[in-house]
Amino acid sequence: AQSVTQPDIHITVSEGASLELRCNYSYGATPYLFWYVQSPGQGLQLLLKYFSGDTLVQGIKGFEAEFKRSQSSFNLRKPSVHWSDAAEYFCAVGAYSNYQLIWGAGTKLIIKP
Amino acid sequence: DTGVSQDPRHKITKRGQNVTFRCDPISEHNRLYWYRQTLGQGPEFLTYFQNEAQLEKSRLLSDRFSAERPKGSFSTLEIQRTEQGDSAMYLCASSFQRGAIKINTGELFFGEGSRLTVL
Repeated sequence: AQSVTQPDIHITVSEGASLELRCNYSYGATPYLFWYVQSPGQGLQLLLKYFSGDTLVQGIKGFEAEFKRSQSSFNLRKPSVHWSDAAEYFCAVGAYSNYQLIWGAGTKLIIKP
Repeated sequence: DTGVSQDPRHKITKRGQNVTFRCDPISEHNRLYWYRQTLGQGPEFLTYFQNEAQLEKSRLLSDRFSAERPKGSFSTLEIQRTEQGDSAMYLCASSFQRGAIKINTGELFFGEGSRLTVL
């Protein structure tokens, strides 16, 4: 069955520290991979996406993600977090022949001052 | 560009009542999606419109749920005979995608959602 796993329900990091959020997927077709962020009271916003090519993709707000096919992973990283990064982060996967995305359960990021 | 708007933002209803949610997508967007999100979970796909045509509907969607997009602009999602298990955030998203490929290669623009509480 198709699935997306975000192993960490929540992560706490200090402001200025580096961040890595994990995402693993199980998908039979060639995956299209996305990271979205949901801030309190706001709609989901696309951070970055991977379709093909360079496996390291850059996104908005200083985020990047690396696609590793051998590990079925698409982890999100940021070298130095800011308090404004506190939000919930969702990984999603789609395929060329699908309209819908399959979403992970999300990781809530908490920033310590 | 005023973004995707959803109305109402909050709805509290009694079990057995009908509710309707409205979504106004970004005006030039041809694709519209409805998702449902419960606490601690990611969005769950409900249905998809391309212009006014409903092209996909989740098998998880019971026949109490119906959605329309009559003129290819705004969309409504109606839930009949609500149950407590319908309590969730209902999200609408829109996008513009050229061509016939199914995957949305661009950004989905989400509204802030309509929160439903069924008592």
